[in-house]
Amino acid sequence: NAGVTQTPKFQVLKTGQSMTLQCAQDMNHNSMYWYRQDPGMGLRLIYYSASEGTTDKGEVPNGYNVSRLNKREFSLRLESAAPSQTSVYFCASTLTSGVRNTGELFFGEGSRLTVL
Amino acid sequence: QKEVEQNSGPLSVPEGAIASLNCTYSDRVSQSFFWYRQYSGKSPELIMSIYSNGDKEDGRFTAQLNKASQYVSLLIRDSQPSDSATYLCATQMDSNYQLIWGAGTKLIIKP
Repeated sequence: NAGVTQTPKFQVLKTGQSMTLQCAQDMNHNSMYWYRQDPGMGLRLIYYSASEGTTDKGEVPNGYNVSRLNKREFSLRLESAAPSQTSVYFCASTLTSGVRNTGELFFGEGSRLTVL
Repeated sequence: QKEVEQNSGPLSVPEGAIASLNCTYSDRVSQSFFWYRQYSGKSPELIMSIYSNGDKEDGRFTAQLNKASQYVSLLIRDSQPSDSATYLCATQMDSNYQLIWGAGTKLIIKP
């Protein structure tokens, strides 16, 4: 059972370059999330998708865009990378029943991004 | 502003002892509370959830919630070196709301 799969696991970009982080889950979860994790700052929510066809901004959305391609896939795009976006990015998913969020998130392995 | 506070550590505990991890939160309407464990270089995984005041036990882990004092704690009995990790506390106001995360406490279990 693959769970939540993220690609790529590592990436080095130059300032101004663009890239897309891919995420897919095979648990039939409704909700998906993108977080970034920086030392000493915990997890910060970038964007989330409560269900297929919807996306909403989280705590730190500036400089990012997302696409919920279908129920399984949720991608994160950096249009013009900046050094401040150097971080570890985690995709997560959770099962929801109607509008209820269980709070149990399943995370991908993370994508380590460095912007020079 | 809603906040979740944790001591960053590291918290060093001898093998076999009880490790006590604490978390305080600022929002009185928080209803659900979670402890996630994150090994170095890995992703977080849920180990405990608690919704009511009091204690909840699962194996060597006990979560304690005191809503009046706005704190939640995690006790790990008979600590093992494999318990060495960063423990993240998270709260949720309502099932419609996103999790609010603490920065985590690094726990080191010394053999």
